[in-house]
Amino acid sequence: KAGVTQTPRYLIKTRGQQVTLSCSPISGHRSVSWYQQTPGQGLQFLFEYFSETQRNKGNFPGRFSGRQFSNSRSEMNVSTLELGDSALYLCASSGGTVNTEAFFGQGTRLTVV
Amino acid sequence: AQTVTQSQPEMSVQEAETVTLSCTYDTSESDYYLFWYKQPPSRQMILVIRQEAYKQQNATENRFSVNFQKAAKSFSLKISDSQLGDAAMYFCAYEEGGADGLTFGKGTHLIIQP
Repeated sequence: KAGVTQTPRYLIKTRGQQVTLSCSPISGHRSVSWYQQTPGQGLQFLFEYFSETQRNKGNFPGRFSGRQFSNSRSEMNVSTLELGDSALYLCASSGGTVNTEAFFGQGTRLTVV
Repeated sequence: AQTVTQSQPEMSVQEAETVTLSCTYDTSESDYYLFWYKQPPSRQMILVIRQEAYKQQNATENRFSVNFQKAAKSFSLKISDSQLGDAAMYFCAYEEGGADGLTFGKGTHLIIQP
């Protein structure tokens, strides 16, 4: 069974640009969550999608958005990039029942210059 | 808002010995779940152990066990017979019942001395 796949693995963008990151969950998983990991703030929850609906949301500005497709694949978008958005973005998928184990991808390393 | 605190930025232990990582959390909820995740240098987060708050019995997974003190809001991880492969960042995490979305502590860097 394939794990959670995140693409691309590495990305360099310029301030003011926008970026889209992709996450393919484990087959059969319908919940996808996104996290931002930085040295200063640590791991922070961005949002969670289930069956194409945002079910839970963290405390991030509106520049951060996401969506989920009917095949459970998810994308997150960051608009008007700032230097502080440089981070490792992790995606996690889990089965339909809440509070079960989250399986993480290897992340997308975003660098904003 | 819920918070998770890991007071040990770094811990070091000799191979084959036992080490305990500390975690405290703050919540007003009664239904919640606690987790320990491991993040090796590859950056891939791996679940170590999971505890339901309504269960009094401490969770155990092979060499890994927790000491869950609900009244004290404490959730420590004990690693027995430490192995070189246990070297990693360990994150304590909280999740409210009925909602997916983990709140993580800042992590503890575990070093295993051969």
